[in-house]
This record gives sequence, structure tokens and C-alpha cells, in this order.
Amino acid sequence: DQQVKQNSPSLSVQEGRISILNCDYTNSMFDYFLWYKKYPAEGPTFLISISSIKDKNEDGRFTVFLNKSAKHLSLHIVPSQPGDSAVYFCAANSGNTPLVFGKGTRLSVIA
Amino acid sequence: GAGVSQSPSNKVTEKGKDVELRCDPISGHTALYWYRQSLGQGLEFLIYFQGNSAPDKSGLPSDRFSAERTGGSVSTLTIQRTQQEDSAVYLCASSLDGHFNQPQHFGDGTRLSIL
Repeated sequence: DQQVKQNSPSLSVQEGRISILNCDYTNSMFDYFLWYKKYPAEGPTFLISISSIKDKNEDGRFTVFLNKSAKHLSLHIVPSQPGDSAVYFCAANSGNTPLVFGKGTRLSVIA
Repeated sequence: GAGVSQSPSNKVTEKGKDVELRCDPISGHTALYWYRQSLGQGLEFLIYFQGNSAPDKSGLPSDRFSAERTGGSVSTLTIQRTQQEDSAVYLCASSLDGHFNQPQHFGDGTRLSIL
């Protein structure tokens, strides 16, 4: 029973274009959502988060959008850079429950 | 260093042996978490510490798994009588306090291989 789903295992984007990574969730109690980025042989690095009271949060080239009615969130990276190539994990939780992670999407940014 | 430190970075051991994995959280972080990532899977929550106590052990997969934390700092995850399905990357994270709505900062993990 996967509560957080990242249905695209991989994504390729040209340098300079927009990368859009998607995440769906099933638990309507989730009220906090995060994106992590992971390079090979390293731990995940926190990227950006959003709480359920907002529908958008922006930090530089990274923007997260939340659509609560669709139980969907997305991460936009613009412009994409080769250094953005990594595995991106979506995570969610509610209150003091543990974070639930998706299986990740491997982003490749092609120069 | 300033980040979460885990050791060893790699561990290969025979089925049936016990292993101990260590995590040194960021200084001043009171909350500590253990996860594991099996091949092709997301991160699976194992256990959470607030200070030295573990209010949530719900993710430990069996009684072969245990963890402790001493002095509110270093934590060890012990797996007894290892099985091949225990092979995974074990990740530790810490955050400033026990509120889950906070970014968790991860170490680079221990890659455990059970032969």
C-alpha cells in the first residue's frame, strides 16, 4: 500500500528547459510535503517543502506546487542544469507521524 | 564535520552474523531517525529517537532489529542473525527537535551486503 507514489522512474530534460517531477499521495491526512535530492553514494539532501495551507512555494530555481483536491504535488526546476541530475524523492507526513517517501524519480539533464 | 556521519560506509558480512551500524547526528539535534532503502525502493522508516528515548519503533521489521541512543547523541542500529533480505542502504537522519514538520538532514548511509 504505497501512500506516496512517484509514477515516473526516470525523466530526461535538456539543459535550460523546465523539469517537472510529479508525486501523488493517497492519505488525505498528510499536511506537510517535502522534496529531497539524492546523488549516488550520498544521503538525500533536503530541497524544498510545502505545508497544506499553501499551494505554492518557491526557492530560486525550484518551485513546489500542491493540489490538495487532486492529492498531487509537483516540483518544477527552471532552468534545468546538468548538476540537477540526481534522484528526487517526494515525502509526506501529518502531525508527528514519520515521513513517508516515494520510490524516487531519476532526473537526467542533458547538456 | 558539520553533517550527519555514519559508519561504516560499507559492510559485507555472512548470513547469521550480527552487525552494528553507527550514526553521529548533527550537534544539537535532538531528534534522530533510521531508514533503510532496499534496491529500487523508497526510504522505509525504521525508528525515531527524541533524546535517548524511542517514541516510535513502528518501522522495525522484526525483533532481530534494535537501536539505542546514548547521551542524546550517537545512535547504533543492531541487526542480529542477519538475513539476505537485510541487504540495503541504512540511512540515518537528524533534525533540530522532534517535530516531524522539519527538514531531516541525512548521512551518506551504510551499504550493508549479506552474503
